[in-house]
Amino acid sequence: QVQLQESGPGLVRPSETLSLTCTVSHYSISSGYYWGWIRQPPGKGLEWIGTISHGGGSYFNPSLKSRVTISLDTSKNQFSLMLTSVTAADAAVYFCARGAAGSTWYDCWGQGTLVTVSS
Amino acid sequence: EIVLTQSPATLSLSPGERATLSCGASQSVSRNYLAWYQQRPGLAPRLLIYDASSRATGIPDRFSGSGSGTDFTLTISRLEPEDFAMYYCQQYGDSRATFGPGTKVDIK
Repeated sequence: QVQLQESGPGLVRPSETLSLTCTVSHYSISSGYYWGWIRQPPGKGLEWIGTISHGGGSYFNPSLKSRVTISLDTSKNQFSLMLTSVTAADAAVYFCARGAAGSTWYDCWGQGTLVTVSS
Repeated sequence: EIVLTQSPATLSLSPGERATLSCGASQSVSRNYLAWYQQRPGLAPRLLIYDASSRATGIPDRFSGSGSGTDFTLTISRLEPEDFAMYYCQQYGDSRATFGPGTKVDIK
């Protein structure tokens, strides 16, 4: 069964860049599906950040597009998120997940990783 | 951007009862591309329903989805103890996927 696991710093300073990696097990990310990032501020709802296809095409939430990069590393079976110029509003639990298209449902999720923004 | 609303915000029921959760969209959801997720505290969301009415793999048949256009419903026919959780709808008919604010199903 496919498994996803987020990793990265739990604390990021304001104005700096948030970088997270999702490691996928039991499925080759270059074989198919789309790979996405979703976030959830503590005690709040879910926000779609963006998705990358197995071929490298990417799709982003317009409200975050100017600050977001999502990339694939097929040699490590990982995909990554970079979010620049973070503020307190970017503090959240960040989930990686598997989807079926650029804008899609997500059927497999990582456990999530909490990112705090503070100096 | 398609804005989703969910009602009620909280639903207080007893085990064995039927739960009916609503999700409304600010405009018609293309191809009824609407999903439902369950989220228990401290865990990731779990896909229950996609394409408005298709049950995801491994989801018990007490969960069902219906609706079209701007009005969608998730029904849990008989609540089990593990069903008391938060439920979110999500539309993906638009190039920008959006989620509703959630309905909390708690024990009465």
